[in-house]
Amino acid sequence: AQTVTQSQPEMSVQEAETVTLSCTYDTSENNYYLFWYKQPPSRQMILVIRQEAYKQQNATENRFSVNFQKAAKSFSLKISDSQLGDTAMYFCAFMKHGGAQKLVFGQGTRLTINP
Amino acid sequence: DAGVIQSPRHEVTEMGQEVTLRCKPISGHNSLFWYRQTMMRGLELLIYFNNNVPIDDSGMPEDRFSAKMPNASFSTLKIQPSEPRDSAVYFCASSYESGNQPQHFGDGTRLSIL
Repeated sequence: AQTVTQSQPEMSVQEAETVTLSCTYDTSENNYYLFWYKQPPSRQMILVIRQEAYKQQNATENRFSVNFQKAAKSFSLKISDSQLGDTAMYFCAFMKHGGAQKLVFGQGTRLTINP
Repeated sequence: DAGVIQSPRHEVTEMGQEVTLRCKPISGHNSLFWYRQTMMRGLELLIYFNNNVPIDDSGMPEDRFSAKMPNASFSTLKIQPSEPRDSAVYFCASSYESGNQPQHFGDGTRLSIL
C-alpha cells in the first residue's frame, strides 16, 4: 500500500518570503501521479499542482513549483513570493497510474503567511 | 462550468437518525469519489464510482454506510443509523476517467451527530 508523509504539521513565514513544504511517499509503483492540494479556511480542496512520475521536468504553476526526486521518493512544494491568500492547509497526494483512481493523502501542513 | 455541487453544506442531527448527503459531479466527468475528512484520520477515500458503477468501496467503514449513483449526474452517501463518531466533513469529487486528470472537489458537507 502507498503511504504519504508530510513531516511539517505547521509552518509560518512572512509575506513575500519563499517557503518549501515537504512530502515523501512510499510506493513500489514505477508510474504514478503526485498532487498538491490547498484547503483554505473556506474548506474547499483546490488543486495547486500535479506531477507525472515519468516526467523528469519539475512542474510549475506561476508562483508554485515542485522539486520531484523520484529516487528519493520526495515531492516538495515551493511557494515563491508568498501572499496572505496562500494561508491554508496543504495536502500532498499520490495516485498510481491505471487501475483504481485512488488518491492517498498526507496528513497536511498548516501554512500561515504573516503580514 | 459549475463545479462539483454538494448538499447540504452543514448537517446537524441526533444519533440514530438517517443522514443523506448529495453530490452532483461536473458534467462530463465519469468518475465520482466520496471522501471523509477528520482530524484523527485525515482525508480517506470511502468509495468511488466509474460510469455509475461502484469500483472500490473498501473504505466504507461499516454497513451503516451506503452509497448510490443512480445516474451520471447524481450520487448519495447515506448513513443509517448515524453515530457521533461519524461527525466529519464529507467531500465528493469527480474527474474524467484518465488518471492524469485531477479530481475536482465539492465544498464538502460538515456533518455533526449529537
